[in-house]
Amino acid sequence: QKEVEQNSGPLSVPEGAIASLNCTYSDRGSQSFFWYRQYSGKSPELIMFIYSNGDKEDGRFTAQLNKASQYVSLLIRDSQPSDSATYLCAVGDSNYQLIWGAGTKLIIKP
Amino acid sequence: DTEVTQTPKHLVMGMTNKKSLKCEQHMGHRAMYWYKQKAKKPPELMFVYSYEKLSINESVPSRFSPECPNSSLLNLHLHALQPEDSALYLCASSQGGQGGQETQYFGPGTRLLVL
Repeated sequence: QKEVEQNSGPLSVPEGAIASLNCTYSDRGSQSFFWYRQYSGKSPELIMFIYSNGDKEDGRFTAQLNKASQYVSLLIRDSQPSDSATYLCAVGDSNYQLIWGAGTKLIIKP
Repeated sequence: DTEVTQTPKHLVMGMTNKKSLKCEQHMGHRAMYWYKQKAKKPPELMFVYSYEKLSINESVPSRFSPECPNSSLLNLHLHALQPEDSALYLCASSQGGQGGQETQYFGPGTRLLVL
């Protein structure tokens, strides 16, 4: 069974610091990886997607993919209180499905 | 524009009622999805339409009935629901044609309460 694992947290990070969120996946053949942010009571919002090994940067966010280690991470630089949310890692399956992690709750302390 | 809209935002219904949830996108996407999400859990896939044809039905009870009238619209018809069906119902869309490689964009959701 294909699985995606995340530490549920909460992960508490001081304002202005780097938040590091991690995700591992079981299917070595996975090709597409997504990070979604979800505020309480709201819908998931796409933050980043990554397909290739290495880093992908978008503003304060960097996604890192290591297919050999089956590991994907999201770094948030200069963390703001507004970044406090649950971050969901999802891995694309071949059949329109996303395999979801349980989500990591991130708390940015002012 | 990556907007998916959903109506209504909130819905309260009794177990004998019939209601419908609506979803619309104008991004030219050809794949549309219904998800159910319970508190503190990730979204759970219910149905996928690809090019207006139902391609995935994740063993969802028949009291949930999806409909895709055209490439921009997706409905979820609800009938004889149970209190445990109370959840956030999410619609999503993606470009279509590449399966799980595609980025899915979510609507704001409908918060459903079944009494």
